[in-house]
Amino acid sequence: NAGVTQTPKFQVLKTGQSMTLQCAQDMNHEYMSWYRQDPGMGLRLIHYSVGAGITDQGEVPNGYNVSRSTTEDFPLRLLSAAPSQTSVYFCASSPRSGGGYTFGSGTRLTVV
Amino acid sequence: ILNVEQSPQSLHVQEGDSTNFTCSFPSSNFYALHWYRWETAKSPEALFVMTLNGDEKKKGRISATLNTKEGYSYLYIKGSQPEDSATYLCAFIKGTGRRALTFGSGTRLQVQP
Repeated sequence: NAGVTQTPKFQVLKTGQSMTLQCAQDMNHEYMSWYRQDPGMGLRLIHYSVGAGITDQGEVPNGYNVSRSTTEDFPLRLLSAAPSQTSVYFCASSPRSGGGYTFGSGTRLTVV
Repeated sequence: ILNVEQSPQSLHVQEGDSTNFTCSFPSSNFYALHWYRWETAKSPEALFVMTLNGDEKKKGRISATLNTKEGYSYLYIKGSQPEDSATYLCAFIKGTGRRALTFGSGTRLQVQP
């Protein structure tokens, strides 16, 4: 049982490049979220989804897009990377019935 | 933006000490309060999910209480051990709208042997 899998683990981008951070879960969880973690800021919600085909913005959505075509996958797209998007990104999932979120191992992104 | 605050920001204790942290959150529109433990170089792991006023949860030496009317939760660690060293996060889910977590900035605990 893999849980929540994030790829890649590390990435360096140049300003203006685009990329997709992948997140997949095999627990049939309805809820999935993306967070970024910056020093002194804690975990901030970027986007979240309550099920396939349904997404909504979190606290810091600018510069990021998401889609949820399947229950398992919730990719995060950076359209035009900026140095301010240098961060560690975490994907997490939870069943609709409640319970704690399961987190992926994170993606460390550096934008130069 | 929801305001979830944790105190203290950091704590250094000796092995065997008992300690506690505070999480404060909006007292209106409450749905759930989560506690997570986050070790360095790992991912956050769920400790407790609390939904009812007066809830008390326990896992080994760690316990938590919840007061939704006044908007706070306490996490207690009895007889701290070096392996308890981690950042402890609380996260709030409000009762309307999104069901995603709003995190506090965490309490970093260091337990000295």
